[in-house]
Amino acid sequence: SAVISQKPSRDICQRGTSLTIQCQVDSQVTMMFWYRQQPGQSLTLIATANQGSEATYESGFVIDKFPISRPNLTFSTLTVSNMSPEDSSIYLCSVLRAHIQYFGAGTRLSVL
Amino acid sequence: GQQLNQSPQSMFIQEGEDVSMNCTSSSIFNTWLWYKQDPGEGPVLLIALYKAGELTSNGRLTAQFGITRKDSFLNISASIPSDVGIYFCAGQTSGSRLTFGEGTQLTVNP
Repeated sequence: SAVISQKPSRDICQRGTSLTIQCQVDSQVTMMFWYRQQPGQSLTLIATANQGSEATYESGFVIDKFPISRPNLTFSTLTVSNMSPEDSSIYLCSVLRAHIQYFGAGTRLSVL
Repeated sequence: GQQLNQSPQSMFIQEGEDVSMNCTSSSIFNTWLWYKQDPGEGPVLLIALYKAGELTSNGRLTAQFGITRKDSFLNISASIPSDVGIYFCAGQTSGSRLTFGEGTQLTVNP
């Protein structure tokens, strides 16, 4: 398994501002992922973040809105930029270890 | 893109009853995974299935990887109140990308 720490656990933000979410894993992993889970919905992959390369974004998600950093093999950040109420969701990071994805507890974001 | 159809969407059962939920896909997956998500938490892995036809148990949970590689089911026997939560199936291709089902919300009445 994997021990994943995600911060903040929740936040309430004003529209037009940006929030950076941090994800820390207990030991090195090659692949990290960022998901969005809208209220009452399933998980949707935003992007895959590999250390030393640009993140790979899924259809419907763009770097300007969701910039991602992956400075080393145990850490990644996702920024939700220029937020609107439609960005209110749970944002989850996951890591790939032994071919299995393990998830953090998520960041619950409310945008007013 | 790939889609998973998970059913039922929700279940309301009495403590002690058995539960069954399943996922079907139009695409083949190399791995099937079942996760449980409690309120305020991220999904937690319950069972991973790696081979077509594989039947795997984890305590009161049993899951199977369909022969066609396009479906999987999860059974929970003798349900207890702490089984409450949302159960997600997920199919994984060789690229490690996961496709999630829509989830089954389980409510267990004591």
